Amino acid sequence: AQSVSQHNHHVILSEAASLELGCNYSYGGTVNLFWYVQYPGQHLQLLLKYFSGDPLVKGIKGFEAEFIKSKFSFNLRKPSVQWSDTAEYFCAVNSNTGGFKTIFGAGTRLFVKA
Amino acid sequence: NAGVTQTPKFRILKIGQSMTLQCTQDMNHNYMYWYRQDPGMGLKLIYYSVGAGITDKGEVPNGYNVSRSTTEDFPLRLELAAPSQTSVYFCASIPDGAQPQHFGDGTRLSIL
Repeated sequence: AQSVSQHNHHVILSEAASLELGCNYSYGGTVNLFWYVQYPGQHLQLLLKYFSGDPLVKGIKGFEAEFIKSKFSFNLRKPSVQWSDTAEYFCAVNSNTGGFKTIFGAGTRLFVKA
Repeated sequence: NAGVTQTPKFRILKIGQSMTLQCTQDMNHNYMYWYRQDPGMGLKLIYYSVGAGITDKGEVPNGYNVSRSTTEDFPLRLELAAPSQTSVYFCASIPDGAQPQHFGDGTRLSIL
């Protein structure tokens, strides 16, 4: 079955700490991968996406993610977090072989201490 | 350009009542999606559509129905509301599969 697994449900970091959020997926075919962020009371916004090419993709606000096909992973990273990064982060995947049915992970709630 | 518009923003229903959550997009997107978001559960796909007249079940379709008579509209119908359907519902659209989703602002639904 198609699924997306995010390993950390809650993460607490101090400002300037480095961040890595794990994402693994189970989805047949050639996949498209996404990371979204949701600030309190708002809808999801795109951080970055991977379709093809360079497996290291850079997004907005200093975030990046690396696609490792052999591990079915798409982990999100940021070298130095800020208080304003406090939010919930969602990994998502779809594929043209799945009719572009987009599946989301359960989310990781990040709290950054000032 | 309004993007994806959802109405209503909030609603309280009694058990057994029915209602329709509206979703409209003005971007001429082919693909549209309905999700529900529950705390700690992420977004669960209810139904999706790849174009007018075509709909398909997602991960959690039970208790819901959809239709897609036009490219712009993708309403979600709850026929017999149950407390388990208390959630925040998001509609989203994309022009084709390899694009990020445009989300509406959500509908917060409580069933008492």
